Amino acid sequence: GDSVTQMEGPVTLSEEAFLTINCTYTATGYPSLFWYVQYPGEGLQLLLKATKADDKGSNKGFEATYRKETTSFHLEKGSVQVSDSAVYFCALSEKGGGNKLTFGTGTQLKVEL
Amino acid sequence: DAGVIQSPRHEVTEMGQEVTLRCKPISGHNSLFWYRQTMMRGLELLIYFNNNVPIDDSGMPEDRFSAKMPNASFSTLKIQPSEPRDSAVYFCASSLAGNQPQHFGDGTRLSIL
Repeated sequence: GDSVTQMEGPVTLSEEAFLTINCTYTATGYPSLFWYVQYPGEGLQLLLKATKADDKGSNKGFEATYRKETTSFHLEKGSVQVSDSAVYFCALSEKGGGNKLTFGTGTQLKVEL
Repeated sequence: DAGVIQSPRHEVTEMGQEVTLRCKPISGHNSLFWYRQTMMRGLELLIYFNNNVPIDDSGMPEDRFSAKMPNASFSTLKIQPSEPRDSAVYFCASSLAGNQPQHFGDGTRLSIL
């Protein structure tokens, strides 16, 4: 079946540091890939998405590139801020799968001054 | 535009009581999802509906859990009787068809004493 593997957290960085959160996936077809973010006490929010190989999703300074050859969708940001502290979830959705998402376990990011 | 609306935001009740969680999806969305989030098990999909019809309820933990979607603008998740291990944050999400992103509500934090 489909699965998503994320690096374990928590990840602790200083403000303005470079961020990478690794995500790899297993899927039978050609899924769409997503990153969601969850701030404390809130629901998940879509951060960015990519629907086919080599697509790059970007939003709020975050980027992720759909790499079919390595089945990866790593999240990156060049300079993190304290306000980026949250839990980040990688997810996939199979085409024809009824919009059902398969989530990774989430990676907590803490950014300190 | 209003997002996904869940009620109540918090619920504290004693074990054995019936609990009903409510969700109003975004108008026009035809897929609805119920999730449970705990520290131990992460984010779990319980059930999802397409066009008000339950498609996959394999994530519903036991017969004590039931979900309905009587129309396109309302869904309920019921637990009867409730147990302390049901304590969690329950999220509802909705989406359009065709691998579109899911939009999450702010969740219901449920505590069973």
